[in-house]
Amino acid sequence: EDQVTQSPEALRLQEGESSSLNCSYTVSGLRGLFWYRQDPGKGPEFLFTLYSAGEEKEKERLKATLTKKESFLHITAPKPEDSATYLCAVQANSRDSGNTPLVFGKGTRLSVIA
Amino acid sequence: DGGITQSPKYLFRKEGQNVTLSCEQNLNHDAMYWYRQDPGQGLRLIYYSQIVNDFQKGDIAEGYSVSREKKESFPLTVTSAQKNPTAFYLCASKQGPHTGELFFGEGSRLTVL
Repeated sequence: EDQVTQSPEALRLQEGESSSLNCSYTVSGLRGLFWYRQDPGKGPEFLFTLYSAGEEKEKERLKATLTKKESFLHITAPKPEDSATYLCAVQANSRDSGNTPLVFGKGTRLSVIA
Repeated sequence: DGGITQSPKYLFRKEGQNVTLSCEQNLNHDAMYWYRQDPGQGLRLIYYSQIVNDFQKGDIAEGYSVSREKKESFPLTVTSAQKNPTAFYLCASKQGPHTGELFFGEGSRLTVL
């Protein structure tokens, strides 16, 4: 069974204090790993897709990396507006279709204090 | 602007009543999905549809039903058989098999009184 575990559950940072969020996964053949940002009471917003080990993607203060067992979301010099829940999800390879549903982790709730 | 519209945003229902949540997209996406989110939990898949007039059960389909009569629309009915329906419901769509990312609506919060 495909599984995604995110840690920590919650993280509190001072503004400017860099850190990383972890996403460990087990999947029967990885088609893609996805990072989303979710604000309270809103739908998740897509951030990154990673397809193979060694791949990295960057957007502003965020950088996502991927190994064969886990992904990290690095946050450099965070600001209060980066406060949100960050969700990781995987999509498994499927013989039938590329529309195999994503399997999500429980998320990491990030708070950045000014 | 293209996007996914969910309605209503907030819904209250009495026990024993069925309720239907609307999801409409104008992105011309083939695949659509319904997820449920509870506090401290990840998103759990209820149903998904890869094409019109076809849909598959997800991990927690019991007590829910869907239809996909039009490409743009994928309504979810929460029936009285769903034992614990109070939750945040998210609809999403995906362009097709060669793209992975989901686009989400703003969600519908259902509270059973």
